[in-house]
Amino acid sequence: GQQVMQIPQYQHVQEGEDFTTYCNSSTTLSNIQWYKQRPGGHPVFLIQLVKSGEVKKQKRLTFQFGEAKKNSSLHITATQTTDVGTYFCAGFSTSGTYKYIFGTGTRLKVLA
Amino acid sequence: DTGVSQDPRHKITKRGQNVTFRCDPISEHNRLYWYRQTLGQGPEFLTYFQNEAQLEKSRLLSDRFSAERPKGSFSTLEIQRTEQGDSAMYLCASSPGQGLNTEAFFGQGTRLTVV
Repeated sequence: GQQVMQIPQYQHVQEGEDFTTYCNSSTTLSNIQWYKQRPGGHPVFLIQLVKSGEVKKQKRLTFQFGEAKKNSSLHITATQTTDVGTYFCAGFSTSGTYKYIFGTGTRLKVLA
Repeated sequence: DTGVSQDPRHKITKRGQNVTFRCDPISEHNRLYWYRQTLGQGPEFLTYFQNEAQLEKSRLLSDRFSAERPKGSFSTLEIQRTEQGDSAMYLCASSPGQGLNTEAFFGQGTRLTVV
């Protein structure tokens, strides 16, 4: 079945350093979404990418969707302690149903 | 509160007992999802409804699991004869259901502990 992997699994950075997480799908995706889950919380939607090669920015966050629509990345510039949490990508299946396949997640810790 | 609501927030049950969780999606959201999340893992898809129709069910869901959305509004997830391996966070999400490109809104989840 369709699988979505993320690397790295964990990342510890000093406040002010940059952070990147990568997402890879075993199959071509219709679109990809990114979610953030704070410790003890639930996933919260960040953004959706639809077009091949698309790049979107939200303040310090930059999201990319690969040309083949099988991979994506999230880059955070100058991390802050408020960025702490687990970042998940979620691929939207093209198999005819409308389910999101979540990646394994990258847990980010920011050291002040 | 107009977000996705789940009840209860926590459930502790003895092995072998049945449990039922409820999810109230955002009003007028056509699609409703159930996911299961264990510590350190991403949410795993369990099942999905379009209005009252259950359109897909994961192979992860054994016969002990059943979900309903009788009137296309709230949904229930029942686990019969619970096992320790069922201990997890059960998340419900809803989306507007307009085409392929919609975000999912998650509830706070129900944390199940089977002892």
